[in-house]
Amino acid sequence: GAVVSQHPSWVICKSGTSVKIECRSLDFQATTMFWYRQFPKQSLMLMATSNEGSKATYEQGVEKDKFLINHASLTLSTLTVTSAHPEDSSFYICSARPGDRAKNIQYFGAGTRLSVL
Amino acid sequence: RKEVEQDPGPFNVPEGATVAFNCTYSNSASQSFFWYRQDCRKEPKLLMSVYSSGNEDGRFTAQLNRASQYISLLIRDSKLSDSATYLCVVILFSGGYNKLIFGAGTRLAVHP
Repeated sequence: GAVVSQHPSWVICKSGTSVKIECRSLDFQATTMFWYRQFPKQSLMLMATSNEGSKATYEQGVEKDKFLINHASLTLSTLTVTSAHPEDSSFYICSARPGDRAKNIQYFGAGTRLSVL
Repeated sequence: RKEVEQDPGPFNVPEGATVAFNCTYSNSASQSFFWYRQDCRKEPKLLMSVYSSGNEDGRFTAQLNRASQYISLLIRDSKLSDSATYLCVVILFSGGYNKLIFGAGTRLAVHP
């Protein structure tokens, strides 16, 4: 099956620093990638949809200047949490959708657990 | 009202039991439906798709009732390895994309 690699899997940082999370599709080209956030015992919430070569589309309530998304190639999207604060501590998961397959299928990365001290 | 609602559980059942989970969704324009499984601190993994005609995969049976906007998952002969959180997922076409909308999940704990 399709593989999506997400890195790092766990990061601890001080308040005010920026953290970059990478999402790579390893064996397919992903024209669209998605970024989700999940707080404990809550559902995954879509933050933004990113398309290769264009600006990301953010969901309502998600600050685009705080969560910078770059989808520079068909196999890589990055999410940068700028000036992270303790309330940004969460589980961030990316997914990628192959352009040449059933459009409803998304393959998920293993997630990044962010802890901001 | 949440777009996808599930009973959070937990459902504590012995090995071999049959357990059923329910899910309701609010948007009648929802196009596709899935059950995902999520283990603790891991990413969600697709378990099965859900159709009006029903879908069976081994011990798992999923059913969709579009009129009632209701989705179910039945697990027969529960195994210890079935312990996980089961996520009900619907797909909505919004903003030019097919978006996955997740329920908060139902926790299942299977004990010996």
